[in-house]
Amino acid sequence: AQKITQTQPGMFVQEKEAVTLDCTYDTSDQSYGLFWYKQPSSGEMIFLIYQGSYDEQNATEGRYSLNFQKARKSANLVISASQLGDSAMYFCAMRSYGNNRLAFGKGNQVVVIP
Amino acid sequence: GAVVSQHPSWVICKSGTSVKIECRSLDFQATTMFWYRQFPKQSLMLMATSNEGSKATYEQGVEKDKFLINHASLTLSTLTVTSAHPEDSSFYICSAPFILQGSYGYTFGSGTRLTVV
Repeated sequence: AQKITQTQPGMFVQEKEAVTLDCTYDTSDQSYGLFWYKQPSSGEMIFLIYQGSYDEQNATEGRYSLNFQKARKSANLVISASQLGDSAMYFCAMRSYGNNRLAFGKGNQVVVIP
Repeated sequence: GAVVSQHPSWVICKSGTSVKIECRSLDFQATTMFWYRQFPKQSLMLMATSNEGSKATYEQGVEKDKFLINHASLTLSTLTVTSAHPEDSSFYICSAPFILQGSYGYTFGSGTRLTVV
């Protein structure tokens, strides 16, 4: 069974600083995909970044980068130059290629302060 | 591309009534739709998976007769909360997997906040 672990308590981040959100996962599959989503208070799920298990390079999307350490089974999200609009819940999720389902972590609450 | 439109965004209903939530894929064919429930400050909990033209697969502990899911076409999946009670108040959100230009992802509806009074 897949398991995603996000254990950090709610975080306050100073505007313009970087923040790292931890995510570890547990799977016996060799092929899988890792996703990060942002959920603001409005509730919509906003896709941020994707990392495939066979991707050799860490994924980057604008201010978002994924620190993928396969041997440690971790996929931490780094948000650079935090903005007030980054205040939201952030979810790490994993898909195994044996099925289409996403397994979600519990989420990290981030509040960016000016 | 790969947009799912979910309606209504919010609904308030009386206890004992039924509420239907729709998710439409606008620019792709959604053969599969996942339905999630989310309580405040918690993660998304998968309720069921619907596949076009077949019966939905429900997760353990989810009442099939209370949460009716229909996926009659490749662009429409619906969740009906039957005989709603206050404990059914929650945020419901749908999601569909898609492949677009070689990229595999999941698109989500905007969610429905259900309040049962």
